[in-house]
Amino acid sequence: NAGVTQTPKFRVLKTGQSMTLLCAQDMNHEYMYWYRQDPGMGLRLIHYSVGEGTTAKGEVPDGYNVSRLKKQNFLLGLESAAPSQTSVYFCASSYVRGRPQHFGDGTRLSIL
Amino acid sequence: SQQGEEDPQALSIQEGENATMNCSYKTSINNLQWYRQNSGRGLVHLILIRSNEREKHSGRLRVTLDTSKKSSSLLITASRAADTASYFCATDRPSGAGSYQLTFGKGTKLSVIP
Repeated sequence: NAGVTQTPKFRVLKTGQSMTLLCAQDMNHEYMYWYRQDPGMGLRLIHYSVGEGTTAKGEVPDGYNVSRLKKQNFLLGLESAAPSQTSVYFCASSYVRGRPQHFGDGTRLSIL
Repeated sequence: SQQGEEDPQALSIQEGENATMNCSYKTSINNLQWYRQNSGRGLVHLILIRSNEREKHSGRLRVTLDTSKKSSSLLITASRAADTASYFCATDRPSGAGSYQLTFGKGTKLSVIP
């Protein structure tokens, strides 16, 4: 029972490069979320999805794009990486809104 | 914007002691949740308390909620070294702006010394 799986686990990018973070869940959850976690800032929501084919902006969406083409996958893209996007990125899913969220183990992203 | 704020930011106790963490929030809520995060791992859900509940237990965990004071507390009894982690509260707000998301606090870092 994998739960929420994030790939890759670590990545180093140069400023201006692009990349996609992948999140997959096997719990048939409708809701999926992307957060970033920075020291002293807690978790901040980047984008979320309430179902296949839907996406919405969270608290800190600038510089990121997302897609939810399949119910089990939620992709986070950085088109032109900036040092300010150095962070740990977490994906989460939940059955419905307000219910407990299940988290992946994160992607540690460094942008030089 | 932060909805929940945990207090203290860090807590160090001896194994066997009780640990109490507090969370304050600003607006009305549907429920409040507590999560644990071990170093280098994702968050794990511990317990959910609804706005019409005042206390909830799960094993060695006890959560209280005071909606009049907009605060919650998490008590871990008879702590173990394995309880060493960061603990976060998260609030689920009623419909309206931000209603599709949980809003997390900055966490309390608990260290349990063997």
